[in-house]
Amino acid sequence: DQQVKQNSPSLSVQEGRISILNCDYTNSMFDYFLWYKKYPAEGPTFLISISSIKDKNEDGRFTVFLNKSAKHLSLHIVPSQPGDSAVYFCAAGSSNTGKLIFGQGTTLQVKP
Amino acid sequence: DSGVTQTPKHLITATGQRVTLRCSPRSGDLSVYWYQQSLDQGLQFLIQYYNGEERAKGNILERFSAQQFPDLHSELNLSSLELGDSALYFCASSVDRAFADTQYFGPGTRLTVL
Repeated sequence: DQQVKQNSPSLSVQEGRISILNCDYTNSMFDYFLWYKKYPAEGPTFLISISSIKDKNEDGRFTVFLNKSAKHLSLHIVPSQPGDSAVYFCAAGSSNTGKLIFGQGTTLQVKP
Repeated sequence: DSGVTQTPKHLITATGQRVTLRCSPRSGDLSVYWYQQSLDQGLQFLIQYYNGEERAKGNILERFSAQQFPDLHSELNLSSLELGDSALYFCASSVDRAFADTQYFGPGTRLTVL
């Protein structure tokens, strides 16, 4: 039972355009959400997070949106750069259980 | 460089064997987390230690065990290895115990079981 799903295994975007990565979850107990980026041969790197009391969090070119009623979050990257090409993982957690559940990842390719 | 170190980088062993993976957290971080990433799955949380004590358990098999030592480094022990245990094993650390804290990941240990 996958509690956190990233339904798009890959995404290709032109440099300068917007990249939108999506993530769905099933457990309504999740109260915080994170996005990580991973380059080949490296560990994941934290990008941005959002708690369930907010519906938007922005950090530079990265914005995470949370739609609690739809149990959906998305990561927007504007403008996309070739260096953003990586695998992006969303993760969801519950403060009560203390466990973080990761999605399968979406491979983003930003073409110059 | 996240500041989290993992050794060894690569490990090749046979079925039935036992291996130990080592992790040194960032200076000042009290929590250590272990994750498994196999080819067909995303990152699977295994276990968390905070200041030497087990804090949370995920999908960790009984054949696997971990500990965190007084100097805060951690070891993940994998025994009676099976082919399906071949995966990337990541260690992460954070300052405090809450999962909402930013976790800093090490480069991983690639385990191959033949």
